Amino acid sequence: EVQLVESGGGLVQPGGSLRLSCSASGFTFSSYAMHWVRQAPGKGLEYVSVISSNGGSTYYADSVKGRFTISRDNSKNTLYLQMSNLRAEDTAVYYCVKGVGINWYRVYWGQGTLVTVSS
Amino acid sequence: QSALTQPPSASGSPGQSVTISCTGTSSDVGGYNYVSWYQQHPGKAPKLMIYEVSMRPSGVPDRFSGSKSGNTASLTVSGLQAEDEADYYCSSYAGSNNYVFGTGTKVTVL
Repeated sequence: EVQLVESGGGLVQPGGSLRLSCSASGFTFSSYAMHWVRQAPGKGLEYVSVISSNGGSTYYADSVKGRFTISRDNSKNTLYLQMSNLRAEDTAVYYCVKGVGINWYRVYWGQGTLVTVSS
Repeated sequence: QSALTQPPSASGSPGQSVTISCTGTSSDVGGYNYVSWYQQHPGKAPKLMIYEVSMRPSGVPDRFSGSKSGNTASLTVSGLQAEDEADYYCSSYAGSNNYVFGTGTKVTVL
């Protein structure tokens, strides 16, 4: 059974940093690209970032480019999102997502971890 | 990548049909047949309802159907039921292994 468990969320001041982790199990982690998607309170889903299976390729939404860094440790089956220079508008539940196939015919979501940016 | 455009709300009475549109560009919706639809109930993770424009995952009722024309995709829920009341999001592949989501539509069953 595929399981994605996020951790690392919490309250942080504007301008601060936080690192999210996503521990994966139930599949061959090193074979799949992995994604981060966020959802601000009462708002819609926003695609944040993706990293290729070997970590060699990444993509960031314009809203986080230059401030967030996605990475992975395939030996630990863990995905990361390093967030810096955080802003109030980064407040959201952050989901770790695994999509199967380019058509995402099967999608697995973690339970999400809440990041609150506030003074 | 800009978010795909969806109407903020849609509604229908039980048994009726509701259709939600999702408008993108030739770089996402119009460029690939990889449009998905998600249903999200409050406090829950999104659930995949449609993938590849019109395909239903196992377990999704055939009341849910999808289509696409040009840069606009659509989700139709026929025979509305109370449990269909939720937020719905479209998503499209946008190239280079990344995706884009729609702005979301709140469906109300009257």
